[in-house]
Amino acid sequence: IAGITQAPTSQILAAGRRMTLRCTQDMRHNAMYWYRQDLGLGLRLIHYSNTAGTTGKGEVPDGYSVSRANTDDFPLTLASAVPSQTSVYFCASSDSMALSSYNEQFFGPGTRLTVL
Amino acid sequence: GQQVMQIPQYQHVQEGEDFTTYCNSSTTLSNIQWYKQRPGGHPVFLIQLVKSGEVKKQKRLTFQFGEAKKNSSLHITATQTTDVGTYFCAGPGTGTASKLTFGTGTRLQVTL
Repeated sequence: IAGITQAPTSQILAAGRRMTLRCTQDMRHNAMYWYRQDLGLGLRLIHYSNTAGTTGKGEVPDGYSVSRANTDDFPLTLASAVPSQTSVYFCASSDSMALSSYNEQFFGPGTRLTVL
Repeated sequence: GQQVMQIPQYQHVQEGEDFTTYCNSSTTLSNIQWYKQRPGGHPVFLIQLVKSGEVKKQKRLTFQFGEAKKNSSLHITATQTTDVGTYFCAGPGTGTASKLTFGTGTRLQVTL
């Protein structure tokens, strides 16, 4: 079934530990995104990638890094987790190059991360 | 930077009542999208509006884009318990066409 998968589903992490959230899509979308969702703050963009090999900073990039080695995968790494990074993380993708597309974003199921 | 605000933040209605959420942008938007997120779920695309003053309907949902393309609304007629969730508007982000700036969302609770 086409879509986006994220792993893990949830994770409890000690502060200071390194963590990589995985995201894979099989829709051959060129663009991918990472958001964090916190109560009352909506969805905030962390990093994005318009195409394999390129990445860009979003609204709240500090403490996070991404890579886009190929079209399908877009991992998000927390180099040294802090409690303020406790959140729900969503990966999304879109086919921003398609002329007939609405450029709608397709979201993965999310990763619930708790940093203690 | 661009800001997209939604009101109300939360609304609780009885089943059968109408519901409206409003989205306001600090800048003119080329288009606006709406998403729905069920409790415990992920955002799902509902619709995109592009033209000034555009109105689109999906069954009991009516979406409107303001004449100045800085605001939008989503109206649900005769709510049902299946409408429960958080509704987000989103406008194109700055700097690159593929990014979206999401509104803060309106959480709708519907009770019998």
